[in-house]
Amino acid sequence: DAGITQSPRHKVTETGTPVTLRCHQTENHRYMYWYRQDPGHGLRLIHYSYGVKDTDKGEVSDGYSVSRSKTEDFLLTLESATSSQTSVYFCAISVLDRTEAFFGQGTRLTVV
Amino acid sequence: AQSVAQPEDQVNVAEGNPLTVKCTYSVSGNPYLFWYVQYPNRGLQFLLKYITGDNLVKGSYGFEAEFNKSQTSFHLKKPSALVSDSALYFCAVRDEGGATNKLIFGTGTLLAVQP
Repeated sequence: DAGITQSPRHKVTETGTPVTLRCHQTENHRYMYWYRQDPGHGLRLIHYSYGVKDTDKGEVSDGYSVSRSKTEDFLLTLESATSSQTSVYFCAISVLDRTEAFFGQGTRLTVV
Repeated sequence: AQSVAQPEDQVNVAEGNPLTVKCTYSVSGNPYLFWYVQYPNRGLQFLLKYITGDNLVKGSYGFEAEFNKSQTSFHLKKPSALVSDSALYFCAVRDEGGATNKLIFGTGTLLAVQP
């Protein structure tokens, strides 16, 4: 599992509330990513990070923010959750000398 | 812009028969291509990749993929399917915008292997 832990694994929240998802890695890899998985869309990149305090937007970043204050943690925040953000969220890491990414177990978020 | 397409939402195959899951890609340069598998309620597991070299790439669990530049395809194959191969399969290409290893995924193909 490449030492990736996502928390929580499941969450139900109400529309308009803030939500923070956490991704923790144990191997000090530089690159970390947040993807969302939706039927008919596959996985789409939300935000990614290439170092502490270095982040950038992905394909579907609207309504999301991220922070990386430590190498091992990458936080994804939904400032005001909407029903369209109901999804499964995956964190991934990438090792510099390898091109493939390794994924966490996912967080299933339901916004009601 | 680069993209990958998986034309089949679902592939059905009998156990013991060969299987193929199709993927085509669109990139401006040389592609870095990947296959991942997702079992129910699990994360994605890396199967194999093509970066350069031999067009036939071997990966985990007996899977292989054939890179075809002229047809811009990277189909996943296995000579003899197992019921346990039933899962969701994703093809992906590395984003060409810098060395950040961002991936662009296809929409996924559900493989169902019948006993």
